[in-house]
Amino acid sequence: DQQVKQNSPSLSVQEGRISILNCDYTNSMFDYFLWYKKYPAEGPTFLISISSIKDKNEDGRFTVFLNKSAKHLSLHIVPSQPGDSAVYFCAARETGTYKYIFGTGTRLKVLA
Amino acid sequence: NAGVMQNPRHLVRRRGQEARLRCSPMKGHSHVYWYRQLPEEGLKFMVYLQKENIIDESGMPKERFSAEFPKEGPSILRIQQVVRGDSAAYFCASSPRPSGLLETQYFGPGTRLLVL
Repeated sequence: DQQVKQNSPSLSVQEGRISILNCDYTNSMFDYFLWYKKYPAEGPTFLISISSIKDKNEDGRFTVFLNKSAKHLSLHIVPSQPGDSAVYFCAARETGTYKYIFGTGTRLKVLA
Repeated sequence: NAGVMQNPRHLVRRRGQEARLRCSPMKGHSHVYWYRQLPEEGLKFMVYLQKENIIDESGMPKERFSAEFPKEGPSILRIQQVVRGDSAAYFCASSPRPSGLLETQYFGPGTRLLVL
């Protein structure tokens, strides 16, 4: 049972345009959500997070939106840069636990 | 300002051997988490440890796998009598704050285990 789903395995975007990565979840007990970026042969790098009491968090070119009623999370990257090309994972944590539940990732390719 | 360190980065073992993976958390972090990533999948939680204590091992296979985080030294994930299905990337993460709060986990580069 996949509690965190990233239904788009890949996404291609032109440099300078907006990249939108989506994530859906099923567990209403998740209280903390994160996005990680991962390059090949490296560990995931933390990008941005949001708690369930907020609906938006912004950090530079990265903005995360949370729609609790739809159980949907999205990451916006604007403007997209070639260095953003990587696999992006969304993760969620259930209240009272310590483990992150990860989606399967979306491979973003930013075309120069 | 070193990040999470893991070694070895690559490990090759034959079926039946033991694999020992090491993780040194970031300076000032006393909470360690281990995750496993199979090819084309997301990371799956295995175990959460604080110094000298296993807090949550709900993701650990019941047999052959064990983890420790001693008072001194790195955290160790041990896999006994490895099988081909153990081939995966094993990631360690650490966090600074006590459990129960909204802490962010920072990941190491991973150990890629290949079982022949």
